[in-house]
Amino acid sequence: AQTVTQSQPEMSVQEAETVTLSCTYDTSENNYYLFWYKQPPSRQMILVIRQEAYKQQNATENRFSVNFQKAAKSFSLKISDSQLGDTAMYFCAFILGSGGSNYKLTFGKGTLLTVNP
Amino acid sequence: DTAVSQTPKYLVTQMGNDKSIKCEQNLGHDTMYWYKQDSKKFLKIMFSYNNKELIINETVPNRFSPKSPDKAHLNLHINSLELGDSAVYFCASTRAGIEAFFGQGTRLTVV
Repeated sequence: AQTVTQSQPEMSVQEAETVTLSCTYDTSENNYYLFWYKQPPSRQMILVIRQEAYKQQNATENRFSVNFQKAAKSFSLKISDSQLGDTAMYFCAFILGSGGSNYKLTFGKGTLLTVNP
Repeated sequence: DTAVSQTPKYLVTQMGNDKSIKCEQNLGHDTMYWYKQDSKKFLKIMFSYNNKELIINETVPNRFSPKSPDKAHLNLHINSLELGDSAVYFCASTRAGIEAFFGQGTRLTVV
């Protein structure tokens, strides 16, 4: 079974600074996808960034980037130039990319990020 | 156009009642899910369906019964509601390898 671990229940950062959220996962499979989702107080689940395991290049979306270390099974999210609107719960998630039980999107327990003015 | 739409957004009901939450997606995805988010924000999968077929049932009480009339719809019916069922329920859809799209969530409060 696949597991996703987020070891930081809460983090805070000053506006305009950089923060890194940690995520590790466990799988014996080789073909999978990793995601970071953001859940602001509105409770809507918003995709922040996606990484395919077969790609060595780290994904980047504007101020958001990941550090994907496949051998270490690590998938951290870096937020640069933090903004007040980045305050939210952040979830790391995993899904297999092949048949069988690939229909299970597994989430970590989340990291509550607060951006302070 | 809303990609994943679930209704209602809020649901307040008494213990022992039966209620349903509806979900529809217009993305053409083959797989749909129900997730439960508790007060600690843990997102736990309840069910997944692929092309109307139940794939995952994660030790959910029998009082919860999903129904998928077609691959664009996945409804959740809950019998004999209990206080512990109070949570936010999310519907989502995905195609393998593509991010999951979520509905806006249904906040269920059992009193």
